[in-house]
Amino acid sequence: NAGVTQTPKFQVLKTGQSMTLQCAQDMNHEYMSWYRQDPGMGLRLIHYSVGAGITDQGEVPNGYNVSRSTTEDFPLRLLSAAPSQTSVYFCASGRSGQPQHFGDGTRLSIL
Amino acid sequence: KQEVTQIPAALSVPEGENLVLNCSFTDSAIYNLQWFRQDPGKGLTSLLLIQSSQREQTSGRLNASLDKSSGRSTLYIAASQPGDSATYLCAVRVLTSGTYKYIFGTGTRLKVLA
Repeated sequence: NAGVTQTPKFQVLKTGQSMTLQCAQDMNHEYMSWYRQDPGMGLRLIHYSVGAGITDQGEVPNGYNVSRSTTEDFPLRLLSAAPSQTSVYFCASGRSGQPQHFGDGTRLSIL
Repeated sequence: KQEVTQIPAALSVPEGENLVLNCSFTDSAIYNLQWFRQDPGKGLTSLLLIQSSQREQTSGRLNASLDKSSGRSTLYIAASQPGDSATYLCAVRVLTSGTYKYIFGTGTRLKVLA
């Protein structure tokens, strides 16, 4: 059982480049979300989805896009990378009222 | 606006000691509270989830309590071991703008000394 799989694990980008962080889950969870984790700030919600075709903004959505065409996949797109987006990104999935499951994260550096 | 605080930010204890980690939240209108463990360079692993109607949950050497009225939760770790060294985070599930979301604390970094 793979759980929540994030790729890549590490990435270095130059300012202005775009890229997509991948997230896939094999547990048929309706709820998926993206967080970023920065020192001293905890995890902050970027975007989330309550089911295929439904997405919404979280606490810090600027500079990021998401889509949810299938239940399994929830990619996060950086449109034009900025140094302030250097962070560790986590994808999570779950069902209402049940524990959330997290991926191992993507460590992203923007130069 | 819901805020979640975990104090202390770091804790170092000798092996075998029983310890308590604290989590406080500002708005008692929560739907559940979840405790996570995070090892360096890894994602979060769910330890315990307490529904708003519950007072506590137990799993092995871990016991989590919830007092909604006072906005507090504690995670009790019995007979601590070096393998318990990790960062422990709590998160509350709230209803905001018609959708459920989790609000996280910044964590307590625990080191258990052999």
